[in-house]
Amino acid sequence: DAGVIQSPRHEVTEMGQEVTLRCKPISGHNSLFWYRQTMMRGLELLIYFNNNVPIDDSGMPEDRFSAKMPNASFSTLKIQPSEPRDSAVYFCASSNSPEVQETQYFGPGTRLLVL
Amino acid sequence: GNSVTQMEGPVTLSEEAFLTINCTYTATGYPSLFWYVQYPGEGLQLLLKATKADDKGSNKGFEATYRKETTSFHLEKGSVQVSDSAVYFCALKSGSARQLTFGSGTQLTVLP
Repeated sequence: DAGVIQSPRHEVTEMGQEVTLRCKPISGHNSLFWYRQTMMRGLELLIYFNNNVPIDDSGMPEDRFSAKMPNASFSTLKIQPSEPRDSAVYFCASSNSPEVQETQYFGPGTRLLVL
Repeated sequence: GNSVTQMEGPVTLSEEAFLTINCTYTATGYPSLFWYVQYPGEGLQLLLKATKADDKGSNKGFEATYRKETTSFHLEKGSVQVSDSAVYFCALKSGSARQLTFGSGTQLTVLP
């Protein structure tokens, strides 16, 4: 089975540009999570969706960040305009169980560098 | 709130040495506990998990036991290999919350 797919794997952009990160969850999984990993703050949850509906976006740092899930097999995380402090690795994860013991499966991440 | 504390890294060991990476947690209710591993340039992979007190998770020679009395979930392996070099994250999920709370990660380097 294919795992979680993310694209692009690497992105270098200039400050002020729009950045769109993409994620395809594991087929059949109904929950999708976006995390950000930085040296200073470690792994942080930005937002998660259940059945394509955003449930908790309290981790989204500011209005420059937005996320959508138009269908069960695709999600985007957009940063507009981007800033150097947005440089990080962004992970998408999916799962198919809401129970306390659920396992989240992570994609390979998108390494973003904003110059 | 929930939190996970991992031993500070980096950890450097020789091949076949014994590994322990300490993890303690604070959580409301009865969390599930996880160890994830991140190999260079890759995403996080679930290594093992335990969902209730005294459960032992195990995988690829790694083990961790859910100790409610000490709120700990230490990762151990009897004989590490060079291929175990990676960053190891302890994490928890508590109650109805969907998000994982991660520790800061511990970098392990195994030398031949």
